[in-house]
Amino acid sequence: DAGVIQSPRHEVTEMGQEVTLRCKPISGHDYLFWYRQTMMRGLELLIYFNNNVPIDDSGMPEDRFSAKMPNASFSTLKIQPSEPRDSAVYFCASSLAGRGTEKLFFGSGTQLSVL
Amino acid sequence: GEDVEQSLFLSVREGDSSVINCTYTDSSSTYLYWYKQEPGAGLQLLTYIFSNMDMKQDQRLTVLLNKKDKHLSLRIADTQTGDSAIYFCAVSSGSARQLTFGSGTQLTVLP
Repeated sequence: DAGVIQSPRHEVTEMGQEVTLRCKPISGHDYLFWYRQTMMRGLELLIYFNNNVPIDDSGMPEDRFSAKMPNASFSTLKIQPSEPRDSAVYFCASSLAGRGTEKLFFGSGTQLSVL
Repeated sequence: GEDVEQSLFLSVREGDSSVINCTYTDSSSTYLYWYKQEPGAGLQLLTYIFSNMDMKQDQRLTVLLNKKDKHLSLRIADTQTGDSAIYFCAVSSGSARQLTFGSGTQLTVLP
């Protein structure tokens, strides 16, 4: 299995532009998570899905952020409009329910820089 | 909510043992995890322990859990330069299917 695949690996954009981050979870996994990592705040859970349905989006910073999961093999995180304070590494992770543990498998992340 | 604390930095000599510590606040946490993050990469699950266990050993890794003190540690025996990375403690919280991560401990292995 190729693991969790995220694209792009790096994104540099200007303030006010729309940014779309993409994620392909591990095949067969039914949970998908979006995290943000910064030096100041560490790892923050933004939103997670179960069977393509958003379960908890309380970590999404504000209305500028939105996430979708149109099918079991694809999810997007969109920021519109982007701001410099959104600069961070964004991770997608997936897991499989029913085993009693939260074994998350992480992608390599998208390094976002908003100028 | 859950709070997970770790020290930020640890340096050891190659061949020595490393001990990375973590404290948490939620006594109902059922599973506790250690993840490793190498530069430019995502987090990788190293090991985990169920809350009814005191210790778990997996090759060079030993996890110790003190539920009374809400203290978790990860011991790496015979630390190698390839072990240099950031190590995250994480705990499951209540009924929510999500983890709370600590801030991470940067382990530096000196030759």
